[in-house]
Amino acid sequence: DVKVTQSSRYLVKRTGEKVFLECVQDMDHENMFWYRQDPGLGLRLIYFSYDVKMKEKGDIPEGYSVSREKKERFSLILESASTNQTSMYLCASATGTGSYEQYFGPGTRLTVT
Amino acid sequence: AQSVTQPDIHITVSEGASLELRCNYSYGATPYLFWYVQSPGQGLQLLLKYFSGDTLVQGIKGFEAEFKRSQSSFNLRKPSVHWSDAAEYFCAVVPRGYKLSFGAGTTVTVRA
Repeated sequence: DVKVTQSSRYLVKRTGEKVFLECVQDMDHENMFWYRQDPGLGLRLIYFSYDVKMKEKGDIPEGYSVSREKKERFSLILESASTNQTSMYLCASATGTGSYEQYFGPGTRLTVT
Repeated sequence: AQSVTQPDIHITVSEGASLELRCNYSYGATPYLFWYVQSPGQGLQLLLKYFSGDTLVQGIKGFEAEFKRSQSSFNLRKPSVHWSDAAEYFCAVVPRGYKLSFGAGTTVTVRA
């Protein structure tokens, strides 16, 4: 089974802190994604990566950056956390061969106070 | 604007009753279509997908979905719900590339 793990299930940070969310997948997938999930808005794509060191902005990249130094690991970085970044963050991975099926991690619920 | 619409925010259904969740999309060409389920405290799990061919698609957990091109719809159905089907359901499309676009979700409550 594909497994996507996220470093924390719950995280509480203060405004202005730098926050790292880590995601690891064990299926050698080329594509990895970061979403945020908010009630009534569904999932919105923040960034995705289609290869090591390659990234592309999603629909809501402002205030976020990403890093992919190894194929299995994709990090989301909040350079200076703000209260409007309080949300559920979901990581996903997918093969690069057109199946389009994404496998999701359990999510990290981030609260910024 | 291109979008995925799930008209029902919340549906309550009795255990054993049938369930239908609606999904409409507004893209020029037929996109790839998906339904995902998110149980409380968990990530999303793929229920089923439609790329082409037979417009009635069977998925896991007894779910099925029907693609109707004329209505730009991809509705999810289950003939008899179980208490474990209480969850949030998301319709998603891939209009281009690998990027999924999600609907806002429908929360399903199952009453005994």
